[in-house]
Amino acid sequence: DQQVKQNSPSLSVQEGRISILNCDYTNSMFDYFLWYKKYPAEGPTFLISISSIKDKNEDGRFTVFLNKSAKHLSLHIVPSQPGDSAVYFCAASSPFSGSARQLTFGSGTQLTVLP
Amino acid sequence: NAGVTQTPKFRVLKTGQSMTLLCAQDMNHEYMYWYRQDPGMGLRLIHYSVGEGTTAKGEVPDGYNVSRLKKQNFLLGLESAAPSQTSVYFCASSSDRFDTQYFGPGTRLTVL
Repeated sequence: DQQVKQNSPSLSVQEGRISILNCDYTNSMFDYFLWYKKYPAEGPTFLISISSIKDKNEDGRFTVFLNKSAKHLSLHIVPSQPGDSAVYFCAASSPFSGSARQLTFGSGTQLTVLP
Repeated sequence: NAGVTQTPKFRVLKTGQSMTLLCAQDMNHEYMYWYRQDPGMGLRLIHYSVGEGTTAKGEVPDGYNVSRLKKQNFLLGLESAAPSQTSVYFCASSSDRFDTQYFGPGTRLTVL
């Protein structure tokens, strides 16, 4: 049973417009959420994170929103650029996952930004 | 800094063969992780280590063994490869329990 779900396998957006990537989770013990970006033939790279004590975190063009009651987070990219075209993974962790913060990943969303 | 490197980049095995994947990091990180990524699925944690000489099981540990004899290296072994182990394997490291995990470029393994 997937605890972190990204229900949209792909998303296409025009350059300059907003990209919104969504992620749902089921485990109420998750208290830390991250977004990773992955280009082909490379490993995932960290993009932005949010703690459950916040509902929003911004870093330049990237903003992550967390709605704890709905168990939903989203990543907004404004404005979208062709270089943002990649697979975006949502990940979550709980403080009770052992001696390390084990990350549970969603299946990813392929974002394509059209010039 | 090379960051996290993985050897080899690609490998094809026959069922029953064994192999070892090497992960190396030059960031002096304490924590290291091995993940696998399968089509349509997110990355799943196989094993991890919280320091030299320690290892622990993740979500999908069966069929794999690991060793962390040196702080900078984390080895993933397959003793008897099975087609179900065909996957892309990623190694990651972090400085502590709360730090961001930094990933290597991955190893694509095919088991025939």
